[in-house]
Amino acid sequence: DTAVSQTPKYLVTQMGNDKSIKCEQNLGHDTMYWYKQDSKKFLKIMFSYNNKELIINETVPNRFSPKSPDKAHLNLHINSLELGDSAVYFCASSPLYHPPSYGYTFGSGTRLTVV
Amino acid sequence: QQPVQSPQAVILREGEDAVINCSSSKALYSVHWYRQKHGEAPVFLMILLKGGEQKGHDKISASFNEKKQQSSLYLTASQLSYSGTYFCGTAAGGTSYGKLTFGQGTILTVHP
Repeated sequence: DTAVSQTPKYLVTQMGNDKSIKCEQNLGHDTMYWYKQDSKKFLKIMFSYNNKELIINETVPNRFSPKSPDKAHLNLHINSLELGDSAVYFCASSPLYHPPSYGYTFGSGTRLTVV
Repeated sequence: QQPVQSPQAVILREGEDAVINCSSSKALYSVHWYRQKHGEAPVFLMILLKGGEQKGHDKISASFNEKKQQSSLYLTASQLSYSGTYFCGTAAGGTSYGKLTFGQGTILTVHP
């Protein structure tokens, strides 16, 4: 059983389209995250939810909207995709948000390519 | 603010040792270490907590100097499987308590 699963694994789409990425964890963790990894491998946090509550919302264009229907699921919807959105998006989970005493479990990533 | 890792890249032969450093300008609560192989997800290696001990498993260990806000990852008797990009992630105190900020990564290559 995969601990943190993301779908799709690859996403190729045209500029201006809207797309969604889904994430599910079966670890019973309370906290889930979205990270963006750019072409230089820099991992940057975008959002975090703790028990369905949004707790971290970094400086991300409002074209990106996360949603957490329950604590095991975290989705990311992106409107009006731009070339600069091309990256690998990782979902991650951890048992607790506060304090940060536990490691993160990452999903396998979604490679988004905007053409 | 992003922690700074050094060196940016390391090339080793099997059996050699390496040290990767991570430095932050903020007071830290914890430091995480992850390894990412090409095309895969980052994998958690270990966490060091403020006031905690040096940790390690197998031939990989790490230390955390709270006063200097620095952490080091030690890889001894390196194996081919150690190749990958190593990231430190730092969690600061205060309002940034739960947010993990990653360094730019250190690429480790182990040759036979």
